Amino acid sequence: AQSVTQLDSHVSVSEGTPVLLRCNYSSSYSPSLFWYVQHPNKGLQLLLKYTSAATLVKGINGFEAEFKKSETSFHLTKPSAHMSDAAEYFCVVSPFGYNKLIFGAGTRLAVHP
Amino acid sequence: DTGVSQNPRHKITKRGQNVTFRCDPISEHNRLYWYRQTLGQGPEFLTYFQNEAQLEKSRLLSDRFSAERPKGSFSTLEIQRTEQGDSAMYLCASSLAADTQYFGPGTRLTVL
Repeated sequence: AQSVTQLDSHVSVSEGTPVLLRCNYSSSYSPSLFWYVQHPNKGLQLLLKYTSAATLVKGINGFEAEFKKSETSFHLTKPSAHMSDAAEYFCVVSPFGYNKLIFGAGTRLAVHP
Repeated sequence: DTGVSQNPRHKITKRGQNVTFRCDPISEHNRLYWYRQTLGQGPEFLTYFQNEAQLEKSRLLSDRFSAERPKGSFSTLEIQRTEQGDSAMYLCASSLAADTQYFGPGTRLTVL
């Protein structure tokens, strides 16, 4: 079975400090992995995706994620948080050969001045 | 803007009524997906089309739900005899083959 676990439902950081959003996945086959962001009243936006190329993936707005097969993790990081980063973040797996996306429960990121 | 569009953005209905939502995908995308997102949860897959063919349906999609994509372009999702448990955000996404899925803004359904 394929699944995604986001280890923190809420993360709070100060502006200018690093962000770490944690994600573990379970997949029987080589998966594609994604991070999507959802701002209030806006659609889901793709931040970055991993599809078996480089294990360190760079995305938009300074975010990046590292695929670690041995740890079955795909954590999202950003060196310096901005107020505009406050949103809901979803870690997503799409197992090889499947067409649907399997979402984690989400992590709400709050950024304080 | 040539992104995925959904109408209506909000729908309030009484229990037992039928509702229909529309999704217009990105024009060159041949795949279209429907997801449902309840409060505090991530989206859950409902069904997907490749062109006009509905190729997969989730067990979440009860027989009160029906989706169509008659000409391989826009899609409709109908819910018959709505229940309060159907209250959710209904999201549509499209992709070119198995590439990245791009999401619309969603239709928020409230069943009273």
